[in-house]
Amino acid sequence: KQEVTQIPAALSVPEGENLVLNCSFTDSAIYNLQWFRQDPGKGLTSLLLIQSSQREQTSGRLNASLDKSSGRSTLYIAASQPGDSATYLCAAPGGTSYGKLTFGQGTILTVHP
Amino acid sequence: EAQVTQNPRYLITVTGKKLTVTCSQNMNHEYMSWYRQDPGLGLRQIYYSMNVEVTDKGDVPEGYKVSRKEKRNFPLILESPSPNQTSLYFCASSLAWVGSGSNEKLFFGSGTQLSVL
Repeated sequence: KQEVTQIPAALSVPEGENLVLNCSFTDSAIYNLQWFRQDPGKGLTSLLLIQSSQREQTSGRLNASLDKSSGRSTLYIAASQPGDSATYLCAAPGGTSYGKLTFGQGTILTVHP
Repeated sequence: EAQVTQNPRYLITVTGKKLTVTCSQNMNHEYMSWYRQDPGLGLRQIYYSMNVEVTDKGDVPEGYKVSRKEKRNFPLILESPSPNQTSLYFCASSLAWVGSGSNEKLFFGSGTQLSVL
């Protein structure tokens, strides 16, 4: 069964800092991994989907990497802004479990001015 | 506008009273799924559907039913709700199942906050 862990659980940084969020997964038989953002009281929005063949994916100030061999993914946020404050979740398919998607518990990010 | 629509947004009910939470998507997506989100437990998958008439259990299916009679709709049914089903529920969909290597992102509804008294 796929298990996904995110570290740290919470992070508070001043505006302008570069930061890294970590995601680890136990079943490395995956084709891709997805990062989401969740604002309080809202649904999740997909930020980046990284294929295992790509190893990295970029969107604006966000860069995600995927290393299947070590069972890890990172989300890098450059020049953080208060508007980046949200919960960030990663999700991995269940390897051989077709149709299942397992989420980490998320990292609560606060960027203060 | 492309979206996943859940109704109702908020629901308060009593133990044992059957309820249905509706989910509809207008993007012709094949894959749909239901999740519940609880503090300290994160998002957990309840049921998923790869296509019309094809559904399967996620990690926490007990106490829930689903149906997929049309591609756009995927209702979640609680036949006899209990207080431990109080939670925030999300429906999601994608064009294809992402685990097969597709590049299709998952789209989420806005959520349904359910309280069972």
